[in-house]
Amino acid sequence: AQRVTQPEKLLSVFKGAPVELKCNYSYSGSPELFWYVQYSRQRLQLLLRHISRESIKGFTADLNKGETSFHLKKPFAQEEDSAMYYCALGGIYNTDKLIFGTGTRLQVFP
Amino acid sequence: GAGVSQSPSNKVTEKGKDVELRCDPISGHTALYWYRQSLGQGLEFLIYFQGNSAPDKSGLPSDRFSAERTGGSVSTLTIQRTQQEDSAVYLCASSPVNRRAFFGQGTRLTVV
Repeated sequence: AQRVTQPEKLLSVFKGAPVELKCNYSYSGSPELFWYVQYSRQRLQLLLRHISRESIKGFTADLNKGETSFHLKKPFAQEEDSAMYYCALGGIYNTDKLIFGTGTRLQVFP
Repeated sequence: GAGVSQSPSNKVTEKGKDVELRCDPISGHTALYWYRQSLGQGLEFLIYFQGNSAPDKSGLPSDRFSAERTGGSVSTLTIQRTQQEDSAVYLCASSPVNRRAFFGQGTRLTVV
């Protein structure tokens, strides 16, 4: 069965430190990977998707099919990055099904 | 509309009662999703719709849960004979063909 694993429930760093939020997936087909973010009292929203190969708010993520990973990285964390981050897997057998990991809470201290 | 709208925002119900949660997706979005968000469980997939049909209902926790979508638009999630473990935030999302999901604000369900 398809699965998304985010091993860290909480990640705490100081402002300016590098950040890496881990995501591993289980899927035998060609995956579509996403990172979604939920800031305090806001709706869950898309941060970035692997097919776009973009950098949003300084965050990047590279799909590694060999390691079945899609880790989210930022070289210098900011306090405003504090939020809940969810990794998601879509395009399952070319359907619209979209499944999420359990999420990682990022806390950035001043 | 401005985005995905869910109603009610909050619902407190007595154990054993039935509840209906409503989702109004963004106009023109073909896919619609229901998730359950609870502490420590992340976003639990419940069901998704492609148009009015639900190709995958595998996430529904029990036969007390059902969902429908009509006119390729509004969807309702119904929970019959609610239990305390059903307490959670229920999130709806819709997506156009590119599978970028737009989320509603959620319905917080409390079963007492």
